[in-house]
Amino acid sequence: NAGVTQTPKFRILKIGQSMTLQCTQDMNHNYMYWYRQDPGMGLKLIYYSVGAGITDKGEVPNGYNVSRSTTEDFPLRLELAAPSQTSVYFCASRGQGRTYEQYFGPGTRLTVT
Amino acid sequence: AQTVTQSQPEMSVQEAETVTLSCTYDTSESDYYLFWYKQPPSRQMILVIRQEAYKQQNATENRFSVNFQKAAKSFSLKISDSQLGDAAMYFCAYRSTGSEKLVFGKGTKLTVNP
Repeated sequence: NAGVTQTPKFRILKIGQSMTLQCTQDMNHNYMYWYRQDPGMGLKLIYYSVGAGITDKGEVPNGYNVSRSTTEDFPLRLELAAPSQTSVYFCASRGQGRTYEQYFGPGTRLTVT
Repeated sequence: AQTVTQSQPEMSVQEAETVTLSCTYDTSESDYYLFWYKQPPSRQMILVIRQEAYKQQNATENRFSVNFQKAAKSFSLKISDSQLGDAAMYFCAYRSTGSEKLVFGKGTKLTVNP
């Protein structure tokens, strides 16, 4: 299993541009998550999904959108990129069951200038 | 709101020695999970150890063990026989059983000296 994969690994955006961060997992996990990690900080939850067609906001959802059309994929859309969105973005997933831990992808480093 | 505090921004340890990383949390919930994640320079978040709040026994995973003090809301990580590969950022995290939100501390940077 590849686990959780994310593309791209790095990206530089200009202010006002848009982009989609891709996330795919091959573990048949129902639960998927998007986090951002700012320098010197822990991760903060942006959005999450408990299954295909179901998404919900996390702690810092403003400026982002998500969709979940399949179990495997959970893309994160940035509209009108701003410098405050410069961060490292992590996708994660976990299986069904209250005790299951989250497995993380390798992250995407995004710079908005 | 739940919060997680790691009071040690940086720690260092000699190879083969033992080090303890501190974590405290604030919650009004009684049923929750606590985690320690390791983040090496590669950025990959790796689960080190997990503790379920209803279990009194401290979790252990090989050289890694925790000291879980529920009443004190403390969850420290002990690394025994430290190895160079243990050098990384370590994050303490909390999740209530009724929530999907994983709350992270700011992390502790661990350096292992040869």
